Amino acid sequence: AAGVIQSPRHLIKEKRETATLKCYPIPRHDTVYWYQQGPGQDPQFLISFYEKMQSDKGSIPDRFSAQQFSDYHSELNMSSLELGDSALYFCASSLVNLAGGILITDTQYFGPGTRLTVL
Amino acid sequence: AQKITQTQPGMFVQEKEAVTLDCTYDTSDQSYGLFWYKQPSSGEMIFLIYQGSYDEQNATEGRYSLNFQKARKSANLVISASQLGDSAMYFCAMREGYALNFGKGTSLLVTP
Repeated sequence: AAGVIQSPRHLIKEKRETATLKCYPIPRHDTVYWYQQGPGQDPQFLISFYEKMQSDKGSIPDRFSAQQFSDYHSELNMSSLELGDSALYFCASSLVNLAGGILITDTQYFGPGTRLTVL
Repeated sequence: AQKITQTQPGMFVQEKEAVTLDCTYDTSDQSYGLFWYKQPSSGEMIFLIYQGSYDEQNATEGRYSLNFQKARKSANLVISASQLGDSAMYFCAMREGYALNFGKGTSLLVTP
């Protein structure tokens, strides 16, 4: 079965540079999520998009922005990179179901991650 | 805010034995979802099993089962017949809106 695709898989940047991470969700999934996992840490939710609209926002720095495009792929743009941004960045995708008038997100399937190193 | 607690930083189990990884949660929501993910040393996050708060039966997926005790707010993962390939970090997570809130994880090492 098709999985979530992330590119690039590895990225090395200098401080103050910019980076763009790309995510291609599982076909027919309408929701995309971004997570950041620092070394030895659990993943932290950054932001999500449902049907190309921002649906939720977590601990995403103001230097980061993201969007979901008409083909449902998503990009995470990171500017003024800092050493502390070095981490594994996951994209996940899911369907959203309507249950009793409430939107409920289905299981999130994660991509392989992009390992960002800021020097 | 919801909270997930995994109290076992590391666990050892011998091959072919069963192991239980603990997870407790704290929420005031009536409807919620609990997930377990596996993260091998290669880094990917692999979905293992899901339990909904209204599910009457404990979830099972192959060798994985979830011991869900709603009154105690625990959702422990049971891996039966451990294999060497089960060595990994295991995360318990709860859905809060669109986000998943993760516990700190348990590192499982399966020995021959």
